[in-house]
Amino acid sequence: EADIYQTPRYLVIGTGKKITLECSQTMGHDKMYWYQQDPGMELHLIHYSYGVNSTEKGDLSSESTVSRIRTEHFPLTLESARPSHTSQYLCASSVDNYGYTFGSGTRLTVV
Amino acid sequence: KNEVEQSPQNLTAQEGEFITINCSYSVGISALHWLQQHPGGGIVSLFMLSSGKKKHGRLIATINIQEKHSSLHITASHPRDSAVYICAVRRGGAQKLVFGQGTRLTINP
Repeated sequence: EADIYQTPRYLVIGTGKKITLECSQTMGHDKMYWYQQDPGMELHLIHYSYGVNSTEKGDLSSESTVSRIRTEHFPLTLESARPSHTSQYLCASSVDNYGYTFGSGTRLTVV
Repeated sequence: KNEVEQSPQNLTAQEGEFITINCSYSVGISALHWLQQHPGGGIVSLFMLSSGKKKHGRLIATINIQEKHSSLHITASHPRDSAVYICAVRRGGAQKLVFGQGTRLTINP
């Protein structure tokens, strides 16, 4: 069973809409991440957080924003979705000296 | 050149065959991860290695720090092993991962 939950699993939305992708984990991990993955391509880090009220941009530039008000919750928001945002978004968490736990991903299509 | 290179990119084999997937990296690392991604998209963490060898069921992962190389082996492969296998490294004291491009494995019955 998953310890990190992403919703929605699939989302098709029109251009210009605001969307929020949810990510929650029940393991008390202090570190959380958002990755973007285009079909057949490698994952790229777009945001990460090392704790509450701490967020940083990742290696791949993204128009999305994130927040970390609670340890267990790390939502990602797109203020105005565009077709170029169509991709899979994966959330993950980790704690020092242990492995990562990944969510099932959100497959976003902007039409 | 990517910091993490995997080979082969695609691998098709018959059920029961012994499978090896390789990962080479060019940076100093604190840990290396092997991940499995099924067609649905979700990712499962298989191993985290900083030295030596780990085994879990039919899966074996090894790492040679001096040669900056890791291998993932699958014994007695099965069609349910069909997935993309991803190597990722953690650099130095950072928590962020750098990913390889993945190896798409198909096991035919």
